[in-house]
Amino acid sequence: SYVLTQPPSVSVAPGKTARITCGGNNIGSKSVHWYQQKPGQAPVLVIYYDSDRPSGIPERFSGSNSGNTATLTISRVEAGDEADYYCQVWDSSSDPHVVFGGGTKLTVL
Amino acid sequence: QVQLVESGGGVVQPGRSLRLSCAASGFTFSSYGMHWVRQAPGKGLEWVAVISYDGSNKYYADSVKGRFTISRDNSKNTLYLQMNSLRAEDTAVYYCAKPSEDIVVVPAASDYWGQGTLVTVSS
Repeated sequence: SYVLTQPPSVSVAPGKTARITCGGNNIGSKSVHWYQQKPGQAPVLVIYYDSDRPSGIPERFSGSNSGNTATLTISRVEAGDEADYYCQVWDSSSDPHVVFGGGTKLTVL
Repeated sequence: QVQLVESGGGVVQPGRSLRLSCAASGFTFSSYGMHWVRQAPGKGLEWVAVISYDGSNKYYADSVKGRFTISRDNSKNTLYLQMNSLRAEDTAVYYCAKPSEDIVVVPAASDYWGQGTLVTVSS
């Protein structure tokens, strides 16, 4: 089955840029979605189809996807961005099913 | 506005059954596939199952295949998850989630999620 690998944690100072990676075999050929989840809350979609932003998501959030790595980039990080972030793809190698990465805890120093 | 409200969670003994519901409003429920996703305490997100807009196609995670059944009643705008032969490792918050696109599910993202319902499997 398809595996997505994320770093368990990323730390960044306020105002700096955070980059959260999501590794998978030839992930560049798949569509990647990113979710933000704060403690006690449901996930929120922040990036879909690699780099599109839903309405209401700040332009500070961007995404890219190529080769074996997809990246969520958060520019000018704010304290309110501290959360868990998950990447997600669809794996259609057998029956279609959804795969989530293990999640990355973003800490704002 | 889109609303997804899960219910039916609780404490259940291993081996027993439980049925979760997800009441949907604010969109044309019968035009969208729907997902169940779970999250064990302190753990990451785990996809459970998806059903097509008309109920004709259903797919499951290997961890629940043969034990869980996803279904829907479009006349009631409600999604269900029947969980049988429950195990301790099924303990989690269960979310229903709506795809961002109607009719097709693959490879859409999920743009709305409910607040979840907690299922605890314990003797």
